[in-house]
Amino acid sequence: AQSVTQLGSHVSVSEGALVLLRCNYSSSVPPYLFWYVQYPNQGLQLLLKYTTGATLVKGINGFEAEFKKSETSFHLTKPSAHMSDAAEYFCAVSSGGGADGLTFGKGTHLIIQP
Amino acid sequence: DTAVSQTPKYLVTQMGNDKSIKCEQNLGHDTMYWYKQDSKKFLKIMFSYNNKELIINETVPNRFSPKSPDKAHLNLHINSLELGDSAVYFCASSPSLNTEAFFGQGTRLTVV
Repeated sequence: AQSVTQLGSHVSVSEGALVLLRCNYSSSVPPYLFWYVQYPNQGLQLLLKYTTGATLVKGINGFEAEFKKSETSFHLTKPSAHMSDAAEYFCAVSSGGGADGLTFGKGTHLIIQP
Repeated sequence: DTAVSQTPKYLVTQMGNDKSIKCEQNLGHDTMYWYKQDSKKFLKIMFSYNNKELIINETVPNRFSPKSPDKAHLNLHINSLELGDSAVYFCASSPSLNTEAFFGQGTRLTVV
């Protein structure tokens, strides 16, 4: 079984400040990890993913995330927030070679203060 | 070209009715999914098909029945709609199970 915990259902940062969205996972096998963004009334868009290899992965829109196996974490960061980053962010895990599909966290609503 | 398209985008219907949501992907992927997003934005997988074969069938009422006529299509039929079925339903596809999924724009179902 696999699960994802996103700490903080709402995160508020000032424009230009660092964005940090936290994600911890549980998986009995080496995981694949994903971050998605959802803008209002739209579908989910893949920001970045980790499967194997380099633990620091870069995604679109200036986001990056680091896989830390010892901490079972995959936190999402962006050095400088833009107003356009305001959205819902979802962390997801899959069990690599398994057949469970993606399991999503409950999402974090990112608010950008002007 | 839209990669994963689902229709309709909005669906308002009365309790007890039967409705279908259609999904098509033009990405050449082998795997397709249906997810349900509730009012609190929580996403839960409902079904997964791989090469037209049902792979994942989570605990959903029997009133929900997926149909995959070919690899590019996965439709969702819902019988006897209930108020609690109101949600946004997302279709998605991926190259294989457990790789990144590409989502459609969603169908907002409102049962009145």
